[in-house]
Amino acid sequence: KAGVTQTPRYLIKTRGQQVTLSCSPISGHRSVSWYQQTPGQGLQFLFEYFSETQRNKGNFPGRFSGRQFSNSRSEMNVSTLELGDSALYLCASSPGRDSPQFFGPGTRLTVL
Amino acid sequence: QKEVEQDPGPLSVPEGAIVSLNCTYSNSAFQYFMWYRQYSRKGPELLMYTYSSGNKEDGRFTAQVDKSSKYISLFIRDSQPSDSATYLCAMNAAGNKLTFGGGTRVLVKP
Repeated sequence: KAGVTQTPRYLIKTRGQQVTLSCSPISGHRSVSWYQQTPGQGLQFLFEYFSETQRNKGNFPGRFSGRQFSNSRSEMNVSTLELGDSALYLCASSPGRDSPQFFGPGTRLTVL
Repeated sequence: QKEVEQDPGPLSVPEGAIVSLNCTYSNSAFQYFMWYRQYSRKGPELLMYTYSSGNKEDGRFTAQVDKSSKYISLFIRDSQPSDSATYLCAMNAAGNKLTFGGGTRVLVKP
C-alpha cells in the first residue's frame, strides 16, 4: 500500500496570508489527524477527522481549521499567518479509533 | 509540567550496543503507547504500538510498559549507525489524539 502523502512539501508565505495543506491517507484509512511540529513545542495535536466529521481538536486558535472529504482526503487551512506558524505540519492516518497512526512526510511551512 | 517527559539527549552509543530509551507520563488515562523514529526532515515512522503493561518484541526492538509506574521504555539491540535518529514516545487515552514526548536524539557511532 502507498503511504500517507502530503502536498506541497515546502511552502513559503508572508505574514497575513493564508495557506491550505493537503493530505491523502493510506487506502482504507478513515481517520486523519494533523499535528504541528516545532523545535520549541515539539509535536502538538491540531485536530482529527473521521468520516468527514471533526472528532477531536487540540488547543490551537480558530485560525487553524480543517476538513475531510468523502474519499478521506483531508485539508487544513491556516488563515492570517503569523511568524510563529512556521513549522512542519504532519498528517497521520489510521484505520479508525484507537488504532496505530502512520505519518506522512510533512509540509514545511515558512512564514516570513 | 508536561504530560509526557522524555530526556532530549543526545544519547551516544557505539555500534552494536543496546540503546535504552524511556518516557514518564502523568496522565493515568493513557492506554495506548507508541514509539516513533524520526530522521531529520522526515515524518515520524511507527516502530512499536502497545496497549497493555508488559513487554512486546519486534526484531531488534523491545517495548516495555509499566502503567503502575507510568513509565515506558524502548530497547534497541545490536544498534547500527542507521539507527541514528530522534526517537519519540507517544500515547493516548481513548481516541486518536496523541500526546508526544519531546524526543531523544540517538547517535550510533561506527
